[in-house]
Formats: sequence, C-alpha cells, structure tokens
Amino acid sequence: EDQVTQSPEALRLQEGESSSLNCSYTVSGLRGLFWYRQDPGKGPEFLFTLYSAGEEKEKERLKATLTKKESFLHITAPKPEDSATYLCAVRPLNAGNNRKLIWGLGTSLAVNP
Amino acid sequence: DAGITQSPRYKITETGRQVTLMCHQTWSHSYMFWYRQDLGHGLRLIYYSAAADITDKGEVPDGYVVSRSKTENFPLTLESATRSQTSVYFCATGADTDTQYFGPGTRLTVL
Repeated sequence: EDQVTQSPEALRLQEGESSSLNCSYTVSGLRGLFWYRQDPGKGPEFLFTLYSAGEEKEKERLKATLTKKESFLHITAPKPEDSATYLCAVRPLNAGNNRKLIWGLGTSLAVNP
Repeated sequence: DAGITQSPRYKITETGRQVTLMCHQTWSHSYMFWYRQDLGHGLRLIYYSAAADITDKGEVPDGYVVSRSKTENFPLTLESATRSQTSVYFCATGADTDTQYFGPGTRLTVL
C-alpha cells in the first residue's frame, strides 16, 4: 500500500538550532514529492517539488533533499516565523486519473525565541 | 486580487441539509481541487477538475457533488450533510497537477 510517513510528529527548537524533518515514502514508483507549509487556520503553502533521487531545492533557511526512500527538509538557523506544520506529499507513478497525492500527517515545528 | 478565495469561512449546519462551499480563483489556472483535512487522516482529495466542464472523482467523493461551468469557480455541494462530513475543506488550484495553491479553507460543522 502506498504510504507517506513524517517524523517527528512534533519538534521544538531554539532559535538558531538547525534540524531536519523526515518524510519517508513507500510507493511503487515516484512521480514527484512535494513539501508544503501550513500555518494554523490557513491553507497549505507550496514550498518545493522534487522529482528524482539526489535532487535538492533551497529557499531561504529551508533545503529539501530526496533519496529513493525518503526526503529531508533541513532547516538552518530557524527563526520563530518558521513555526508551522510542514506537510509532505507524494504522487505515485500510477496515480491514475484521480490525480491522487498521498499526504503525510505533517510535522508540527515550534521555534522558540 | 486575492488569488484564491473560499466562502463561507465558517459554516454550521444540520444533518440532512444541503450545503454549498464556494471557491473562486483569479489566476485562470486549469486545475482546481477540493480536499478535506481531518485529524489523523491528512489531506484527502474529494474531486478535481482539469478544465471547465471537466470534473473527476478523487479519493473520497461519496456524498459530494461538484460543477465547473466557469474556469474561475468550483463549488462543492454536500447534498445531504452528515456528521462525518464535519471537517475543514480546502480548495486548491494550479496550472498543472503538481504545484497546487490552496485557499484559506472552510470550517464546516454538521450538527
């Protein structure tokens, strides 16, 4: 069964304390992996798309990497405004006509000043 | 120009009533999507549309109806609301199916 698992469920960091969030996936073939950020009471905000193992994308303090089994979202020197839930989603090669993305449950990140 | 808007933002209704959630986008994106987000389930696709007058079922379509007569609008109707449809509903849009831009959501409570 296709599955996406994110860890940890929750993470609390001090401002400036770098860390990584994990998204592991089990699919028969990967068409794409997506990272989103969601603030409380708001819709998810697109961050990155990764298509092949070894690919990396960066945006400000965030860097996303992809291997054949997982993706990491590295947060360098985080600030309180980076506090949010980070969602990972995967589109399998056999997504078919329903264009289904498989979503993880997210990692809730809190950055203390 | 808000990009993508949803209305209402909050809705309380009773079991058996019909409810319509509205979604409007100003980008003229081809694709539009409806998701629901529930604790423990993550985001689940209800319906999507590839263009005006083209819609298709997602992962959890039962109990929902959509239409798309104009590119910019994609309403979602709950024909006879049930308590299990209490959720937060997100509309999303995109020029393709990969990069999706989400609206602010509608929090629906069915009593």
